[in-house]
Amino acid sequence: RKEVEQDPGPFNVPEGATVAFNCTYSNSASQSFFWYRQDCRKEPKLLMSVYSSGNEDGRFTAQLNRASQYISLLIRDSKLSDSATYLCVVTHTGGGNKLTFGTGTQLKVEL
Amino acid sequence: GAVVSQHPSWVICKSGTSVKIECRSLDFQATTMFWYRQFPKQSLMLMATSNEGSKATYEQGVEKDKFLINHASLTLSTLTVTSAHPEDSSFYICSVTPNVNYNEQFFGPGTRLTVL
Repeated sequence: RKEVEQDPGPFNVPEGATVAFNCTYSNSASQSFFWYRQDCRKEPKLLMSVYSSGNEDGRFTAQLNRASQYISLLIRDSKLSDSATYLCVVTHTGGGNKLTFGTGTQLKVEL
Repeated sequence: GAVVSQHPSWVICKSGTSVKIECRSLDFQATTMFWYRQFPKQSLMLMATSNEGSKATYEQGVEKDKFLINHASLTLSTLTVTSAHPEDSSFYICSVTPNVNYNEQFFGPGTRLTVL
């Protein structure tokens, strides 16, 4: 079983739609959680950290459920420019800041 | 965020040759750099942690004699793929962090290696 699992998609949604991605992680010692965005053939870029209380950044909302070992990302009012692959990333205690990446969920926002 | 450069951006080489990839931290000194590899439609996989002034730490399954890492200064780490073969064709990405306890990593633009 992969340490970080995501539905690869693709998710095809119309512009303006609300879309949610889920991610599960298997290591209960996981400590820090992030969503990264990766455009085709580019490096990943940090979208937002995920906190236990949940956090919001503009149109993006991230949630963490430690009991279920589950992370989510909600995108409201999707834009064409949101089309990318969204990577769920975790670190764990004793990992020395090593990032473990999920395979990513591909989002395509269409007119 | 930090600025990280990688050179070259892409390289095509013949099987059996060695390829060196450079990763530079342009606006802070990085005691720790990470090297990742990403195959098509797969996740980034950590290959090794590069520590300035000491030997790199390799992840399980990564051959240290094939992927040579040198972190000779606080702003430069190099990854050399020795005797490259077609199965080494991949997207190699480095990241830097100010120190091992700092959460965020800053990624370079990546190097696409194609071995013929």
